Amino acid sequence: GENVEQHPSTLSVQEGDSAVIKCTYSDSASNYFPWYKQELGKRPQLIIDIRSNVGEKKDQRIAVTLNKTAKHFSLHITETQPEDSAVYFCAARNQGGKLIFGQGTELSVKP
Amino acid sequence: KAGVTQTPRYLIKTRGQQVTLSCSPISGHRSVSWYQQTPGQGLQFLFEYFSETQRNKGNFPGRFSGRQFSNSRSEMNVSTLELGDSALYLCASSLILEETQYFGPGTRLLVL
Repeated sequence: GENVEQHPSTLSVQEGDSAVIKCTYSDSASNYFPWYKQELGKRPQLIIDIRSNVGEKKDQRIAVTLNKTAKHFSLHITETQPEDSAVYFCAARNQGGKLIFGQGTELSVKP
Repeated sequence: KAGVTQTPRYLIKTRGQQVTLSCSPISGHRSVSWYQQTPGQGLQFLFEYFSETQRNKGNFPGRFSGRQFSNSRSEMNVSTLELGDSALYLCASSLILEETQYFGPGTRLLVL
């Protein structure tokens, strides 16, 4: 069935290091891949998204890459800061239009 | 523009009761989606509405239902509540179908 797998489930990095979160999707017809950041007790906030006709997108310290052949996409955060600590969710919109979310990655940035 | 709003923010119910949650989308947005968020299952898609019509449905029992009004506001209803329905219920709005979704703050439901 439709599935998005996200790894790792937890990630701890030192301030200033890079963080990478990876997701794999099952529906090859998926065409839209957003990333959301959810801080404790708050709503998920869109941080970056990419469509299937683009291989990479960057916004300051955040970048997302998409490999359609392998059906995986990744979030890269460079020069991490303590305020980057949160749970990050990837998602993929399948052919039916549903947005399927990964299980989330809890990122901890230690000062 | 004001963001997505949800009411109530917190709710405590007992098993067997029913509950109605409300979502007001961003002004001008016509699509509303609902998700259930639990620690064990993550964000699970419930349903999506556009122009008062349900366009997509997730794998939830018939106890979960929803509707959308002509002003794009949406409600979801859960009947015969079970302990396992305790969760954060999030709605998200987008301008039209298959566009970027923006989330509300959620309604935290506790079923005792």
